[in-house]
This record gives sequence, C-alpha cells and structure tokens, in this order.
Amino acid sequence: AQKITQTQPGMFVQEKEAVTLDCTYDTSDQSYGLFWYKQPSSGEMIFLIYQGSYDEQNATEGRYSLNFQKARKSANLVISASQLGDSAMYFCAMREWMDSSYKLIFGSGTRLLVRP
Amino acid sequence: EPEVTQTPSHQVTQMGQEVILRCVPISNHLYFYWYRQILGQKVEFLVSFYNNEISEKSEIFDDQFSVERPDGSNFTLKIRSTKLEDSAMYFCASSDNRDYSGNTIYFGEGSWLTVV
Repeated sequence: AQKITQTQPGMFVQEKEAVTLDCTYDTSDQSYGLFWYKQPSSGEMIFLIYQGSYDEQNATEGRYSLNFQKARKSANLVISASQLGDSAMYFCAMREWMDSSYKLIFGSGTRLLVRP
Repeated sequence: EPEVTQTPSHQVTQMGQEVILRCVPISNHLYFYWYRQILGQKVEFLVSFYNNEISEKSEIFDDQFSVERPDGSNFTLKIRSTKLEDSAMYFCASSDNRDYSGNTIYFGEGSWLTVV
C-alpha cells in the first residue's frame, strides 16, 4: 500500500492566487514527521516545511503553510500568493523509523505550473 | 545558510565502469543518506549512515553499491560496475540527530548520473 499519496499529478494556478497541494499518508506510528520539498527543473530538492505529528499548530514558513489534519491523515501544502518561480514539482514525504535510523518515504509528486 | 554540496553535478559513464559520487554534508550533522530519483519517478531511499557505518539500506542498495566517509567531511557513494538502470539523479542528504521532533533532512543539489 502507498504510504504517501499525492493524487494530483499536475496543477495550474494563476499568479498571486493560493493553491493547495494534497498529500495523504498511512502510518501506524504515533510519532512521525511530514515534509514538503520543492524540486525545480534544475533538479535540486529544496526543503519547504515540516510538521511533526505532535505539533498542535499547523506549520507555517512564509508563504507556505501545512494544513495538517491528523485524524484524516492528510498534510496538504498551501502556497499563498503564487509566484512564477513557484512552478516546480512538489513532493510530500514522511519520515519513517527503521531499526536504527529513519528514512524519508516520498510521494509521487505534484507538478505545479503558475500562470502569469 | 549551511548546505549539502555534491560533486559532480553531472557524470556520463560507460556501462561497467566504476563511479564515485561525492558529498560534503552539513558540518554538525551526524546522519547521512543517499537517495536516488530515476527520471520522472519518485525519490527512493538507498542507504543511511551513522557513526561510520551503514544504519539501514534498501533492497536497491546491493553489492554493487558502497558508501564511505573517508576523512570526516566527505561522504561518498561508489557504484562498482554501473548498469544502464543506474542512470538517475543521486541525492545526498544529512540531518543533525535522530530525534523525532523538529528534525529536518537537507538535500544536496544532486548528481545526475548517465550510464551509456
């Protein structure tokens, strides 16, 4: 079963508008972390925002916020006031504990295109 | 801001040749990782490294792969005899501790490996 599901392969948004990128996850752990990364066409992975499972408030980082709904196991990324430079692939990831360290499990990504 | 650096950014190699990808993790970080992303696919975990030894590895990380931290700053991924299917972007990543709360994994800009 998919542990991280991103159901939107592609999204369009008008410049200056807000957009929500969906992410649902599956885990039986009580303690976990959720991440969003941005991957522009140049290929690097840029950390955007982190939400811990015990965090009571939704994480925010500038124009990025994470709509964390624990009971529904969703961690949607909201980008406010979209800019042309936001056009990129966006990956949701969950930190999973292994025997002696942890790893990130990534979703399949959402390609966002910001229209001028 | 401290960052993970990777070299080379792009390498083309003949099938069967050995390749070494190099990474300099963030200086106070303790956990190091290699991930790979085949073109158009999701990012996949390869291996984690802590205290000078492999902590975990995925099924992808077979005997053709090895990692090393030769001098306390560099972290290398070696592929002994490259195959066409090894063509991918290889990301190095690091994090500062294994604690669940607030830990972030930072990625380098990636090394794009093309096997011909």
